[in-house]
Amino acid sequence: QVQLVQSGAEVKKPGASVKVSCKASGYNFSGYFIHWVRQAPGQGLVWLGWINPNSGGTKYAQQFQGRVTMTRDTSISTAYMELSSLRSDDTAVYYCARDGALLGYCTTTRCHTNGLNWFDPWGQGTLVTVSS
Amino acid sequence: DIQMTQSPSTLSASVGDRVTITCRASQSIRSWLAWYQQKPGKAPKLLIYDASSLESGVPSRFSGSGSGTEFTLTISSLQPDDFATYYCQQYNSYSQTFGQGTKVEIK
Repeated sequence: QVQLVQSGAEVKKPGASVKVSCKASGYNFSGYFIHWVRQAPGQGLVWLGWINPNSGGTKYAQQFQGRVTMTRDTSISTAYMELSSLRSDDTAVYYCARDGALLGYCTTTRCHTNGLNWFDPWGQGTLVTVSS
Repeated sequence: DIQMTQSPSTLSASVGDRVTITCRASQSIRSWLAWYQQKPGKAPKLLIYDASSLESGVPSRFSGSGSGTEFTLTISSLQPDDFATYYCQQYNSYSQTFGQGTKVEIK
């Protein structure tokens, strides 16, 4: 079955960087964008960006531009999200999620080429705690 | 960014009740809306995409409707497993944004 398994919890000091991994299985890794979403304690969901595993192309949410880097290693079907210059308000659970549609798949109404889709499935989440 | 506003923020209901959650967008998002269910300590789970398409394996008591700026998620007969927080998400334009969530509690 389609599954995304993330790396374990991290504790970082302010100013440091964190790199979270997301290993995919059960499908063609290069065929679907991988998105990253975070959720601060007791808060809602915020989209950080996506990576196209096929090309390595990325798109980041403006509020994280310059601090987030998404990469992938297709040989091991794994995506990575690195966030730098960590602050206390970066404390959150970070999720990876697969894009809802096969890259390039077209229906009568649209073609899925730009990463604007629903997310399914999601990884189990990685808690990143930023504390001095 | 498009703002997504859910109402109510909290809903108290009983098993068997019909439950409706509303999600409003700050501008038209056509039908590009998804609904998720999240339980404490777990990742969100997709319920509905493209405003009204039921994800495979999701019980038929869940349904979605709407287009443009106003959308609803309906649970026709609330079951014990449905007590959770529900989020809407727009994917009409970047950045993809979520509503603030609606917590469905036991009455």
